[in-house]
Amino acid sequence: GAVVSQHPSRVICKSGTSVKIECRSLDFQATTMFWYRQFPKQSLMLMATSNEGSKATYEQGVEKDKFLINHASLTLSTLTVTSAHPEDSSFYICSARGLADTDTQYFGPGTRLTVL
Amino acid sequence: GNSVTQMEGPVTLSEEAFLTINCTYTATGYPSLFWYVQYPGEGLQLLLKATKADDKGSNKGFEATYRKETTSFHLEKGSVQVSDSAVYFCALSDRRGGSYIPTFGRGTSLIVHP
Repeated sequence: GAVVSQHPSRVICKSGTSVKIECRSLDFQATTMFWYRQFPKQSLMLMATSNEGSKATYEQGVEKDKFLINHASLTLSTLTVTSAHPEDSSFYICSARGLADTDTQYFGPGTRLTVL
Repeated sequence: GNSVTQMEGPVTLSEEAFLTINCTYTATGYPSLFWYVQYPGEGLQLLLKATKADDKGSNKGFEATYRKETTSFHLEKGSVQVSDSAVYFCALSDRRGGSYIPTFGRGTSLIVHP
């Protein structure tokens, strides 16, 4: 149980385009989903927390107009990187927290974004 | 604010050696503590957790005990295998503004040689 999927696993795009990444909880309902960014050989940087049906809470320094987060249902959250630039290239990981187990996160496999 | 400090890696061991990865934390409340493992090119997998003082989390031969007096949650394994090579993250989850917010350490890379 507690499986989280991400799609796509890898994406390459041109500078200036927008990219959408999906995060799904497959076998549980996720009241809260988190989006992280991970640079090579570094820890995870929490970008935002999204609760189903409400606006995401962004961490300090994260541009909410650039990283659009939507959590429209209890099993799906999306991160859209708008007008992507090469510096946005990174590994993006989502996690989800279920209704019953409020302090434990389950992670998706990550999405490797490369902006040319 | 909350923070998690892990020993810097990489930790390089021979197969069947004993493993310790140190983790200490600072938190304003009473957090739950976690170890996650990340294999190359993948997301994080929950390895074990402990929710209160003196709890011991264990999984796949790994153990960690929640030590409130030393604010530590060190990861141990008696005999490592090559397949344990990965990056290990210590983390805590604490309530902030009515929600559980995670804080991660920087990760410790483990390399196990045959």
